[in-house]
Amino acid sequence: DQQVKQNSPSLSVQEGRISILNCDYTNSMFDYFLWYKKYPAEGPTFLISISSIKDKNEDGRFTVFLNKSAKHLSLHIVPSQPGDSAVYFCAASVMGVQGAQKLVFGQGTRLTINP
Amino acid sequence: GAVVSQHPSWVICKSGTSVKIECRSLDFQATTMFWYRQFPKQSLMLMATSNEGSKATYEQGVEKDKFLINHASLTLSTLTVTSAHPEDSSFYICSARDLLAAFNEQFFGPGTRLTVL
Repeated sequence: DQQVKQNSPSLSVQEGRISILNCDYTNSMFDYFLWYKKYPAEGPTFLISISSIKDKNEDGRFTVFLNKSAKHLSLHIVPSQPGDSAVYFCAASVMGVQGAQKLVFGQGTRLTINP
Repeated sequence: GAVVSQHPSWVICKSGTSVKIECRSLDFQATTMFWYRQFPKQSLMLMATSNEGSKATYEQGVEKDKFLINHASLTLSTLTVTSAHPEDSSFYICSARDLLAAFNEQFFGPGTRLTVL
């Protein structure tokens, strides 16, 4: 049961243009959403997050939009830079056993920025 | 920023042997650490959540007797893959939550590549 889905395994964007990565989820109990960037053979690094009570959060070139009614969120990167090329994971936070928030990850989208 | 290290970064072992992977929070205290595994081109799958001083909580389908987790201090958690088999070959990643940081923020280690021959 894939509760967090990233339906696009890959995305290619021209440098300077906007990159839009999408994520859908099924569990309405998720209360926080996060985007991580990951390079091969490395752990994920945190990019940006959004609480379920908000619909937008912006940090520099990165903006995350949340549409709760559609159970959909997206990450916008503008302008896109070659260094943004990586795999991007969407993650959702939910209360687990023992009261610890745990993360459920999507499958990831490989973003390639072309010069 | 918060740094999490893992050791070793890669390991190759024979089938039937046990392998221990360490996860350390270097500049912060972590009451909770998480262990994930990632197969090629797939998502990170949470294996277990460990709290310092108590037993780990395993996700459904993860064998606790095969993947032993010890969280002995606020800066160290270990994952031991017992009697490893080729199907255990994977990329294992730990993360730690800073006691003082944002509620949902987890910091990830660089991962350990395990290859079982």
